[in-house]
Amino acid sequence: EAGVTQFPSHSVIEKGQTVTLRCDPISGHDNLYWYRRVMGKEIKFLLHFVKESKQDESGMPNNRFLAERTGGTYSTLKVQPAELEDSGVYFCASSQDFTGTSTDTQYFGPGTRLTVL
Amino acid sequence: QQQVKQSPQSLIVQKGGISIINCAYENTAFDYFPWYQQFPGKGPALLIAIRPDVSEKKEGRFTISFNKSAKQFSLHIMDSQPGDSATYFCAACAHISSGSARQLTFGSGTQLTVLP
Repeated sequence: EAGVTQFPSHSVIEKGQTVTLRCDPISGHDNLYWYRRVMGKEIKFLLHFVKESKQDESGMPNNRFLAERTGGTYSTLKVQPAELEDSGVYFCASSQDFTGTSTDTQYFGPGTRLTVL
Repeated sequence: QQQVKQSPQSLIVQKGGISIINCAYENTAFDYFPWYQQFPGKGPALLIAIRPDVSEKKEGRFTISFNKSAKQFSLHIMDSQPGDSATYFCAACAHISSGSARQLTFGSGTQLTVLP
């Protein structure tokens, strides 16, 4: 079974440009999460989809970030316009949500390393 | 405000030694405490997890010790091996019926190096 995949693995852009990150969750997983790790700090929650609906977007830094999940399958995270402080590793995770409890294992993708110059 | 504090930031252990990583949390609503292991170029992978109704959980060489009253938990790696060299993250999660259900709150990570 394929794991969570993310594209691209690396992206280097200039301040003011737009970047779109993509995440393909494990097939059949209803829950999809985006997280970000900035330079050696903790991994921080950005938002959570249940199928195509945004369940919680309390971690989104500002309105320059837009996440979508088309048809409840893959998700995209767009940053427009990018700022220097947006640099970091963006992780996507998915979980199956059989029981609806906090113990649903989240499976992480390898991340996209974003560098804004 | 960091809700889960992790220490040390880095740890060097000799092969065969015991690696200990500590975490402390503040939010008493947390009810699930997983540890994730991350190798370079890979995403974090669940290693072991515990719920607060038990004080210890062991899986092979990995043990979580949990102190609910102190709001602390730790990961012990027995007989550490060079292949254990990775970044380890503690995390915590609260089951809330709506809104922020099931988001993971992570510690800042510990870079473990096991010397051969």
